[in-house]
Amino acid sequence: SAVISQKPSRDICQRGTSLTIQCQVDSQVTMMFWYRQQPGQSLTLIATANQGSEATYESGFVIDKFPISRPNLTFSTLTVSNMSPEDSSIYLCSARMGSYNEQFFGPGTRLTVL
Amino acid sequence: AQKVTQAQTEISVVEKEDVTLDCVYETRDTTYYLFWYKQPPSGELVFLIRRNSFDEQNEISGRYSWNFQKSTSSFNFTITASQVVDSAVYFCALSEATGFQKLVFGTGTRLLVSP
Repeated sequence: SAVISQKPSRDICQRGTSLTIQCQVDSQVTMMFWYRQQPGQSLTLIATANQGSEATYESGFVIDKFPISRPNLTFSTLTVSNMSPEDSSIYLCSARMGSYNEQFFGPGTRLTVL
Repeated sequence: AQKVTQAQTEISVVEKEDVTLDCVYETRDTTYYLFWYKQPPSGELVFLIRRNSFDEQNEISGRYSWNFQKSTSSFNFTITASQVVDSAVYFCALSEATGFQKLVFGTGTRLLVSP
């Protein structure tokens, strides 16, 4: 199966600051996805990052708050900007890969905002 | 719009019992994919299965089996002879078969297996 890594695995941040989360995939992929999982909740898609183009954001998520970079086919970053306690969540990146185009997830970044 | 419903919020069973997790979906697409993921207490999301909408064959993998019924828009997951290590939150998800194929998740079912 695919290997997707994320850094940092967890962080505690102060209100008003920004955090950049990195996602590395062990093979080249076209699409990468960023999801948010608020405490005790399901996963919600933030945006789709297609290499070579601007990320596509879902309703309720904006680029100013969650800027995404996709510099190559194996890497992406998500920045959570001007954080508030409501941003405390697990952030997961995902990529579609494998023989049957399965979607695999990274281990997640647990973010706590004080 | 696509939607996934997992009506069971939490299920508690005793080890060795069989348990079925329900998943009902809504989509206007004629082709689509259905998924099940497991999220143990450690938090990572583990891929279990992907099913194409035109393949209604049931699937078995060890103690796991999946029943796909297109007529009732359901994709249920059964664990046979449950074990404590099966304790986790299980998510059912749906994606379009073309385009971005982004996942729409259900709310999850928390399974507690006690010894």
